[in-house]
Amino acid sequence: AQSVTQPDIHITVSEGASLELRCNYSYGATPYLFWYVQSPGQGLQLLLKYFSGDTLVQGIKGFEAEFKRSQSSFNLRKPSVHWSDAAEYFCAVGDQGGKLIFGQGTELSVKP
Amino acid sequence: EAGVAQSPRYKIIEKRQSVAFWCNPISGHATLYWYQQILGQGPKLLIQFQNNGVVDDSQLPKDRFSAERLKGVDSTLKIQPAKLEDSAVYLCASSSSGQRQETQYFGPGTRLLVL
Repeated sequence: AQSVTQPDIHITVSEGASLELRCNYSYGATPYLFWYVQSPGQGLQLLLKYFSGDTLVQGIKGFEAEFKRSQSSFNLRKPSVHWSDAAEYFCAVGDQGGKLIFGQGTELSVKP
Repeated sequence: EAGVAQSPRYKIIEKRQSVAFWCNPISGHATLYWYQQILGQGPKLLIQFQNNGVVDDSQLPKDRFSAERLKGVDSTLKIQPAKLEDSAVYLCASSSSGQRQETQYFGPGTRLLVL
């Protein structure tokens, strides 16, 4: 069955520190992978997506993600975190019909 | 470009009452999705429309939930009667044509509390 696992429910990092959010997927065919961010009271905003080509994908707000087929992973990274990055982050896989299957999310807190 | 609009933003009802949510997708988007997001979980698809036809409603509890998109634009999601476990955020999203690689654009959601 198709699924997405985000092992970390909550992560706290200091402002200016680097960030890596983990995502593992289970999908039989070539995965179409997405990272979305959700700020309190807001809808989800796309950070980046991968479906072919270069396995290192650049997104908005300085985020990037690397697709590793051998590890079934699509981890999100940012070299220097800003206080405004505090939010909930969701990894998702797009299935054949177009719907998104989401992980349970990782809540990011940023310490001053 | 206007985003996905949803109303109301918040709703509190008693169990066994009915409630309806409205969504207006981005202009020209053929595909519309309703997701349910329970606290502490990721969104889960309830129903997917392509124009005014249903593509996927396999996760929709059809004994109490219904949805329509009569003219292929706006959509309404209804719950009747509501249960306590329906407390969640209901997110509407739209995409251009529903292809896997397309970005889905989400509205701000409707937060429902069932007492």
